[in-house]
Amino acid sequence: GAGVSQSPSNKVTEKGKDVELRCDPISGHTALYWYRQSLGQGLEFLIYFQGNSAPDKSGLPSDRFSAERTGGSVSTLTIQRTQQEDSAVYLCASRVGRRTGELFFGEGSRLTVL
Amino acid sequence: SQQGEEDPQALSIQEGENATMNCSYKTSINNLQWYRQNSGRGLVHLILIRSNEREKHSGRLRVTLDTSKKSSSLLITASRAADTASYFCATDGGSGGGADGLTFGKGTHLIIQP
Repeated sequence: GAGVSQSPSNKVTEKGKDVELRCDPISGHTALYWYRQSLGQGLEFLIYFQGNSAPDKSGLPSDRFSAERTGGSVSTLTIQRTQQEDSAVYLCASRVGRRTGELFFGEGSRLTVL
Repeated sequence: SQQGEEDPQALSIQEGENATMNCSYKTSINNLQWYRQNSGRGLVHLILIRSNEREKHSGRLRVTLDTSKKSSSLLITASRAADTASYFCATDGGSGGGADGLTFGKGTHLIIQP
């Protein structure tokens, strides 16, 4: 696709349920990032994928959060047993490669946990 | 960890005036980037300035970088109502954290009064 695509754009779920958020990066981009943004706040780094290397998971807030990237392309962020504090916008971004400048962001997935 | 810190956190000016936002950081960098985020949307890349550059222009945007002071400024000239958004700086290639050395600040919320 022409840009980074995220789905769903909005997700409302009940506390304790699992959710999956999807990111389809720009074709050919080997670097993929997930961020979390709470209302009116900055970006909180979650996880970084670079090519076939092991992902950098240092930003994941708890073991309820996990992510994978299949075939070096599409990525899925999974949140298990969701809590109300997980409510936020989850942003995905990609760029050509490691430390190659501009990030391209998707429009985000807004998660609301009731 | 948050490497870049924007200042001010919020700025409200009249249409036609110039808007200046500042970003300070702590460790050495390869480049510094500025992004814009309209409400409810993803981030959009505005401009990148490399560590060996001091000033860069793009349309109504002017970015400066002072590596000795570890600071950058973004100037928007002749502001328009459509410039209302949050503006984030991102330091690239720094140390002390995940995301391959890419760290975002908390942003400046700019409001242009018509």
